[in-house]
Amino acid sequence: NAGVTQTPKFQVLKTGQSMTLQCAQDMNHEYMSWYRQDPGMGLRLIHYSVGAGITDQGEVPNGYNVSRSTTEDFPLRLLSAAPSQTSVYFCASTHRGQGDGYTFGSGTRLTVV
Amino acid sequence: GNSVTQMEGPVTLSEEAFLTINCTYTATGYPSLFWYVQYPGEGLQLLLKATKADDKGSNKGFEATYRKETTSFHLEKGSVQVSDSAVYFCALSNTGNQFYFGTGTSLTVIP
Repeated sequence: NAGVTQTPKFQVLKTGQSMTLQCAQDMNHEYMSWYRQDPGMGLRLIHYSVGAGITDQGEVPNGYNVSRSTTEDFPLRLLSAAPSQTSVYFCASTHRGQGDGYTFGSGTRLTVV
Repeated sequence: GNSVTQMEGPVTLSEEAFLTINCTYTATGYPSLFWYVQYPGEGLQLLLKATKADDKGSNKGFEATYRKETTSFHLEKGSVQVSDSAVYFCALSNTGNQFYFGTGTSLTVIP
C-alpha cells in the first residue's frame, strides 16, 4: 500500500545509546519531515528535507541528525539518547505546493531510560 | 510569524451532539488550512483542507470554513458518533511547505 512506513514501532534505549529511526515513502513526494509529539505540546518539527540531498533544521533539531540520499528515504539519527528524547516520532511527506496535506507514518514510540 | 491556536480540551460529548472545535491562526500571506485527526495509537490523517478564503472543506460529516476576516478555521460536525473519538489538530501551511500545528484537542464521545 502506498504511504509512509516507519520502523521500528517501539524502541527502548539506554541513555547515551544511538539509533536510527527509519522512514520510507513510495509516493515520490519531494518534501519529508520529522516531528516529535509530546503531551500538551502538539507536533514540533525536528528536521525537514525539500528533496534528495537537501535537509534543514526545524524547531527542535538538537540531538538529531538526518540525511536524504534518495527521494524515498529520510532516516532520523539520535546521536546520544537522552531521557528528554522520550517521545513519539512521526515522519511525514507531501508534494511541493502548500495546498497538499501531509501523509503521516504510524509513528515510533521511543523511551529513553 | 505563523502559528495556530486551537481550543483546549478535553472535550466530552454525548452521541449525536453538535461539535465545534475552535481554531484561529496567524500567518503571513495566504496559507492553506487543514484539520487532521489522530486515532489512538495511530498517525495523523488528513481530515479536510481549504486552500483559499471562503473555501469550505468537508469530509465524513465534518466541515470547516476558511475565514480570512476572523483568521479562523473552526471544525464542526452536526451529530458526533462514538467512532469520532480522537485527537483533532488544526494546521496551516505557508510558503516553503512548512506546516504549523496546533496542540490538538481530544474528543471523547460517550454513548
